[in-house]
Amino acid sequence: DVKVTQSSRYLVKRTGEKVFLECVQDMDHENMFWYRQDPGLGLRLIYFSYDVKMKEKGDIPEGYSVSREKKERFSLILESASTNQTSMYLCASSLPLRGLNTEAFFGQGTRLTVV
Amino acid sequence: LAKTTQPISMDSYEGQEVNITCSHNNIATNDYITWYQQFPSQGPRFIIQGYKTKVTNEVASLFIPADRKSSTLSLPRVSLSDTAVYYCLVGLTVGNTPLVFGKGTRLSVIA
Repeated sequence: DVKVTQSSRYLVKRTGEKVFLECVQDMDHENMFWYRQDPGLGLRLIYFSYDVKMKEKGDIPEGYSVSREKKERFSLILESASTNQTSMYLCASSLPLRGLNTEAFFGQGTRLTVV
Repeated sequence: LAKTTQPISMDSYEGQEVNITCSHNNIATNDYITWYQQFPSQGPRFIIQGYKTKVTNEVASLFIPADRKSSTLSLPRVSLSDTAVYYCLVGLTVGNTPLVFGKGTRLSVIA
């Protein structure tokens, strides 16, 4: 079974703190993604990576950065947390998207509250 | 990526068949149609994917008309445990294209 593990289910941080959200996958997937999910807005793509040390901006990258030093690990960094970054953060991984039935596997999510 | 439109919410009684339709008028020739399901407090999970006509698996069926401008996810005889948000995605499955989710359809199954 593919496993995507996010380091924390719940996290509370103070405004201005630097926050690291870690994601590890165990299936040697090339692609990894970070989304945030807010009520009424669905899932929005923050960043994605299709190879080690490669990163691409998604729809809402402002206020975030990412790091992919190893294939299995993709970290999301909030340089200076703000209250509007309070959200559910979801990590996903997939093989390169080719062919039918290629799917993305998601972690359980990290509910981050910035106070 | 093709934009998708689907109903915000739907209600159904247990045991009924539920059909959720997604519009994707500007779908491209190479685009596939994929549906994900998300339960509360969990990440989405893949349900079904298709290119044209009909696809069926143990969870659902996917109907795609010839013009491919819409698709319908069909859930047979829903139960309370099918209460979830269902997302329709349209995009390339060749190369390194990220998955772009819309707002999804919130299905509530009532006893």
